[in-house]
Order: sequence, then C-alpha cells, then structure tokens
Amino acid sequence: AQRVTQPEKLLSVFKGAPVELKCNYSYSGSPELFWYVQYSRQRLQLLLRHISRESIKGFTADLNKGETSFHLKKPFAQEEDSAMYYCALMEYGNKLVFGAGTILRVKS
Amino acid sequence: GAVVSQHPSWVICKSGTSVKIECRSLDFQATTMFWYRQFPKQSLMLMATSNEGSKATYEQGVEKDKFLINHASLTLSTLTVTSAHPEDSSFYICSGRAGSSYNEQFFGPGTRLTVL
Repeated sequence: AQRVTQPEKLLSVFKGAPVELKCNYSYSGSPELFWYVQYSRQRLQLLLRHISRESIKGFTADLNKGETSFHLKKPFAQEEDSAMYYCALMEYGNKLVFGAGTILRVKS
Repeated sequence: GAVVSQHPSWVICKSGTSVKIECRSLDFQATTMFWYRQFPKQSLMLMATSNEGSKATYEQGVEKDKFLINHASLTLSTLTVTSAHPEDSSFYICSGRAGSSYNEQFFGPGTRLTVL
C-alpha cells in the first residue's frame, strides 16, 4: 500500500536557522508528491509540488527516488513559517495520501 | 487560487440524527470532489471521491450507507452523516479539483461535527 511517513511530529527551530522537514514515501509507480501547509486557523493550502520544481516562500523540496524521500527545506526559518506541514502522495484516481504532518515552530 | 467553501463550519447534533454538510466551489467547476476526515492531532484520511453526476467511490472501511455523498452539480457536493453517533464526531474537510488544473486540489475550511 502507498504510504507517506513524516517521522517528526514537532520540529522547533530558532528564527534564521535552517529547516528540514522529512518525508519518506512508498509507492510502486512513478510518484507525484506535494507539500501542503496549514497555518493556524486556516485551511490546507498547497505549498509546492515536485513536478513544478519551484521555490515557494523560500521552501524547496527535491524528490530523491533512490532514498524515496521528498524532504522540505528552507535555509533561514522565519516566524511566519510556523504551521503544520503535510507531505502528500498522489495515487491512482488523483487521490491524495497524506503523511501524519509535522508542526514547525519557529522561535524568536 | 480557487476557493472552496463549506457549510456549516461547525455543527452539534444529537445522537441518532442526520447532518448534512455542503461543499461548494465558488469560482471554478469541480469535476471531482473529495471528502476527508481528520481526527484531533491526526492526518487527513480520504473517505470518498465523487465525480459530478455519478456515484461516489468510497475508501475501504467507509460505510457508504452512513456517509451519503451527492455531487449533483459541478459546484456542489454534499456529505450527509446519517444516524450520527458520538464516534462520528470529527473534522470533515472537502476539496475540489477542476478538470483543467494540474492535479491540484483546493481545500475547504472544514466542518467540525460534534455528536452528543
């Protein structure tokens, strides 16, 4: 079965420090991966997808098929980055399988 | 981005009653809508996929007779929790996908259901 693993429930960093939110997946085909973010009291929104290879709000994520990983990175964390981050895999039928999520807390 | 609304945002009902939750795509036509359930401090779990004009496809373990889904138009899908029980209390989230948007799903704000 397809699975997305986010090993950290909470990641706490200081402002200006680098951030890496881990995501590993298992999928039999060619994966399509996403990162979604949910700020406090807001709806889930797309942060980035691996296919577009873009950088949003300073975040990047590279698909590593050898390690089956899609870690989210940002070189310098900002307080407004504090949120819940979900890694998701799209499977057949455009269905999303979500990881458990990681809370990112950026301390001043 | 496209906007999806849900109504109501929260609802409290008595055990045994039925509750209907609406999901609307406000500025795009959602050929496919998805319904998720989220328990406290847990991830989103897909319940069902609905395509406009056809029957919903339910995920394994989701009772189709308990969670009735209707997708009568390209902008509206409804989820009815029938004969609700306290264990149905949860956060229900819908998303819509337009046929032209490259696999992106736009999420609603969610509906919190509490069954007493």
